[in-house]
Amino acid sequence: EPEVTQTPSHQVTQMGQEVILRCVPISNHLYFYWYRQILGQKVEFLVSFYNNEISEKSEIFDDQFSVERPDGSNFTLKIRSTKLEDSAMYFCASSAGGYDTQYFGPGTRLTVL
Amino acid sequence: SQKIEQNSEALNIQEGKTATLTCNYTNYSPAYLQWYRQDPGRGPVFLLLIRENEKEKRKERLKVTFDTTLKQSLFHITASQPADSATYLCALEGGFKTIFGAGTRLFVKA
Repeated sequence: EPEVTQTPSHQVTQMGQEVILRCVPISNHLYFYWYRQILGQKVEFLVSFYNNEISEKSEIFDDQFSVERPDGSNFTLKIRSTKLEDSAMYFCASSAGGYDTQYFGPGTRLTVL
Repeated sequence: SQKIEQNSEALNIQEGKTATLTCNYTNYSPAYLQWYRQDPGRGPVFLLLIRENEKEKRKERLKVTFDTTLKQSLFHITASQPADSATYLCALEGGFKTIFGAGTRLFVKA
């Protein structure tokens, strides 16, 4: 069964450094998403992406964040200058349509020291 | 803004019993509602989707109801097993995003 994959599974970085989290969505899906989950809290929406454009973003997704689909298979989330409070699990998801079920990857645990 | 409440943080039941989890929402009329399962340190896994014009949906031991008048969904696991122990997330369609509840942790005791 096709699945969303994410790399790395765990990323440790120093405050102020840039990180890039990578995702490979399900191959025939057209909509892509990033969510985050701070330890012990609920899953929070960050951004949705379709047709090489951001469709929607939350207030969390400020100028420090950016997304890109650099080729036909990868979807990336960049955090330009990490803060301690960026420490969380980051989940990528994809869906076939804009109002279809979203399938989630296993997540990348980001630890900012 | 949309708000989702899952009625309890944790639910403990005996193996073989039916677990019933509740999801209430306000300030919104979603086109559909979903239930996901999440295990510690893992991503949410899709279980069931129910649309606004559907009252009930079943999949094996799982059953979901959706009452758009009460703005409530109930999620049932029948003949529960210890392997069903996990956090169950209610999620609303919110346009091009999914809005998650905080989840209910289910513990099924053998």
